[in-house]
Amino acid sequence: GQNIDQPTEMTATEGAIVQINCTYQTSGFNGLFWYQQHAGEAPTFLSYNVLDGLEEKGRFSSFLSRSKGYSYLLLKELQMKDSASYLCAVADSNYQLIWGAGTKLIIKP
Amino acid sequence: IAGITQAPTSQILAAGRRMTLRCTQDMRHNAMYWYRQDLGLGLRLIHYSNTAGTTGKGEVPDGYSVSRANTDDFPLTLASAVPSQTSVYFCASSPGLAGETGELFFGEGSRLTVL
Repeated sequence: GQNIDQPTEMTATEGAIVQINCTYQTSGFNGLFWYQQHAGEAPTFLSYNVLDGLEEKGRFSSFLSRSKGYSYLLLKELQMKDSASYLCAVADSNYQLIWGAGTKLIIKP
Repeated sequence: IAGITQAPTSQILAAGRRMTLRCTQDMRHNAMYWYRQDLGLGLRLIHYSNTAGTTGKGEVPDGYSVSRANTDDFPLTLASAVPSQTSVYFCASSPGLAGETGELFFGEGSRLTVL
């Protein structure tokens, strides 16, 4: 079967760095995505990795290792507005997205 | 710029009733999707359409139907609602296949409660 695993909840301090991990087992791989979802709102796109390595975009970075079926999202200089759920999704062999359940990130002052 | 619009935002429905959730996009995207999101579970694909005139079944299609008569509209119909269909429903679109082009654009969601 297809499976995306990520921690249910994480807590971090304002100004700190946090790493959210995602492991996956899917039928084929055509890219890994991270989305942010604030409570009661729609998901919004953060990043896309299709090759191994690190993609940096401002305070957010995403890493992919296809051989390990592993990705992480790194958030630096955390702000209170970063409190949200972070969703990991993988495009399978049919280019359909398989979604993890999301990681709820709580930022404390 | 509207992007992608869903209606209604919220609805309480008696079991057995028929319900249509509307979704309209003005970005001329080819692909559209319907997901449901339940607590503790990832987004689950109900139905999708890669281009106007075509539709396909996702992971959890039972009890739902869709149509794609034109590029802009992608309504989702519950023929006879059941309590297990209580969920938040998201419509999304992408220029091409989601995994090819990357970004999905989501509507604001429709919260449906079936009693």
